Amino acid sequence: AQSVTQLDSQVPVFEEAPVELRCNYSSSVSVYLFWYVQYPNQGLQLLLKYLSGSTLVKGINGFEAEFNKSQTSFHLRKPSVHISDTAEYFCAVITQGGSEKLVFGKGTKLTVNP
Amino acid sequence: EPEVTQTPSHQVTQMGQEVILRCVPISNHLYFYWYRQILGQKVEFLVSFYNNEISEKSEIFDDQFSVERPDGSNFTLKIRSTKLEDSAMYFCASSVVAYSGNTIYFGEGSWLTVV
Repeated sequence: AQSVTQLDSQVPVFEEAPVELRCNYSSSVSVYLFWYVQYPNQGLQLLLKYLSGSTLVKGINGFEAEFNKSQTSFHLRKPSVHISDTAEYFCAVITQGGSEKLVFGKGTKLTVNP
Repeated sequence: EPEVTQTPSHQVTQMGQEVILRCVPISNHLYFYWYRQILGQKVEFLVSFYNNEISEKSEIFDDQFSVERPDGSNFTLKIRSTKLEDSAMYFCASSVVAYSGNTIYFGEGSWLTVV
């Protein structure tokens, strides 16, 4: 079975500061990795995903994530955050060629302060 | 941009009542899903649906739950006799295909409160 751990439940930062949201996963088989964002009162929106190839993946709104197979991590980064980035961020995995279900972490609430 | 739409956005129901949550997946998608998120907990997979039948379900998806695609556009989740612990945000989702890392698109959710 797969599991996803998001080590930080809340991350407060100041505007224009860099941010890293951490995600580690556990799986006995290869997985695809995703980051979703949930803005207040909205649904889950895909930020980026890693399927194969380059381990550095760029997504929407200036976010990027790096897949590290040896550390089973997929941390999300942004060099300079805006107030509008305040949201909840979810890391998720899905088994390659296996189950159809996304397995989510508990989420990290990013709060960007002025 | 095409999107998954869900109704209602919020429903309050009494324990023991039946509830139907409705979803309109993206039109060219073939796989449909329901997920739920109990307040403060992880988003959890409930069920996936393809070609008019359930293709995978979790242990949460017991006999109280059912899904249906009653016509060419709607996808519904029915809870037959709601319990307090069914209170959660229910997300509908869809994707073109499964198994290949295709993006799963989520709706805005239906918040169910059982009292």
